[in-house]
Amino acid sequence: GDSVTQMEGPVTLSEEAFLTINCTYTATGYPSLFWYVQYPGEGLQLLLKATKADDKGSNKGFEATYRKETTSFHLEKGSVQVSDSAVYFCALNNAGNNRKLIWGLGTSLAVNP
Amino acid sequence: GAGVSQTPSNKVTEKGKYVELRCDPISGHTALYWYRQSLGQGPEFLIYFQGTGAADDSGLPNDRFFAVRPEGSVSTLKIQRTERGDSAVYLCASSPGMGKNIQYFGAGTRLSVL
Repeated sequence: GDSVTQMEGPVTLSEEAFLTINCTYTATGYPSLFWYVQYPGEGLQLLLKATKADDKGSNKGFEATYRKETTSFHLEKGSVQVSDSAVYFCALNNAGNNRKLIWGLGTSLAVNP
Repeated sequence: GAGVSQTPSNKVTEKGKYVELRCDPISGHTALYWYRQSLGQGPEFLIYFQGTGAADDSGLPNDRFFAVRPEGSVSTLKIQRTERGDSAVYLCASSPGMGKNIQYFGAGTRLSVL
């Protein structure tokens, strides 16, 4: 079945450092790919998405490119801030699977001043 | 409402008791999903409604779990004879349907079974 493998955390960075969180997937057909973020004490929020190969999703300085050849959707940010401290989840859904989201385990990010 | 609303935000119950968790989706959203998130894990799919009907209940762990959405809006997740292993955060998400596949999540209900 469909699955998502996500880089394990926790990740600890200093402010203004470069961030990469790796995500790879296994899926039939043409899934849509998502990054969700969960800030401390809050619910899951959509960060960005991509619906087809070579699409780049971007939001709040974060970017991820849908790479079908490597089945990857790595999350990057050029300069992290303390306010980016959160748990990041990679997920996919598939029209052939009722669009239910299949999730990675999440990666905890802590950014120190 | 402005977003997906879940009540209660926290529920503490004793092993063997019955609980109901409520989800009020974004107005007009036809698709509704329930997920369960255990500590340190990603969410796991439980059940999906399109309108009033459960289109996919393949994620329900056993027959103690049941969900309804009688009027195609509010949904209730029902757990009978709760067990300690049911302790988790139960998440509800809604989506416009009709090919628009972004899911919007509520804050969740944290269930603790003592």
